[in-house]
Amino acid sequence: GQQVMQIPQYQHVQEGEDFTTYCNSSTTLSNIQWYKQRPGGHPVFLIQLVKSGEVKKQKRLTFQFGEAKKNSSLHITATQTTDVGTYFCAASNSGYALNFGKGTSLLVTP
Amino acid sequence: DAGITQSPRHKVTETGTPVTLRCHQTENHRYMYWYRQDPGHGLRLIHYSYGVKDTDKGEVSDGYSVSRSKTEDFLLTLESATSSQTSVYFCAIRKDSFSGNTIYFGEGSWLTVV
Repeated sequence: GQQVMQIPQYQHVQEGEDFTTYCNSSTTLSNIQWYKQRPGGHPVFLIQLVKSGEVKKQKRLTFQFGEAKKNSSLHITATQTTDVGTYFCAASNSGYALNFGKGTSLLVTP
Repeated sequence: DAGITQSPRHKVTETGTPVTLRCHQTENHRYMYWYRQDPGHGLRLIHYSYGVKDTDKGEVSDGYSVSRSKTEDFLLTLESATSSQTSVYFCAIRKDSFSGNTIYFGEGSWLTVV
């Protein structure tokens, strides 16, 4: 399957600071998905990127897919306490299931 | 809400006992999955199903079996539970659309093996 590595594992920011998490693969990905999991909750789908160099925005969240389709990033502008949680990237493994990165846990201090 | 119900939501069991977790979906999706989540390991695929009686192993399938006798139900069985199987178990379904395939998770089943 297509393994994805995420960095950093943890990030602690002050409210209002920006945050970025990165997802990298040694192989070309057909697409990449991002999920958010609040503490005690279940992962929730955020977005899917398919095209090389694709950039998508959701309010303060910006998602990018690299030109070579081997990496992706999620950037949050001006974090808020509601952004707390773990962010996962995921890539298909032969089409039936997703392989998830280990996630980046974001803590936002007011 | 993808119409996924997991049961039980919480369970404590003793080492060596069999345990079955149930996942029920109401939207007739073909693909269903069982993942486990552990600190430092993220979400790891245990087994998945691509139709009634059609299942396959994921990356951490040892010690687990699954069954899917109806489209709506996907069962995960620990034949003889071990402490290493203490984890949070998530069932998921895949929704296929023109824009792509999206995974939706159930709320999770917290299993403690003592």
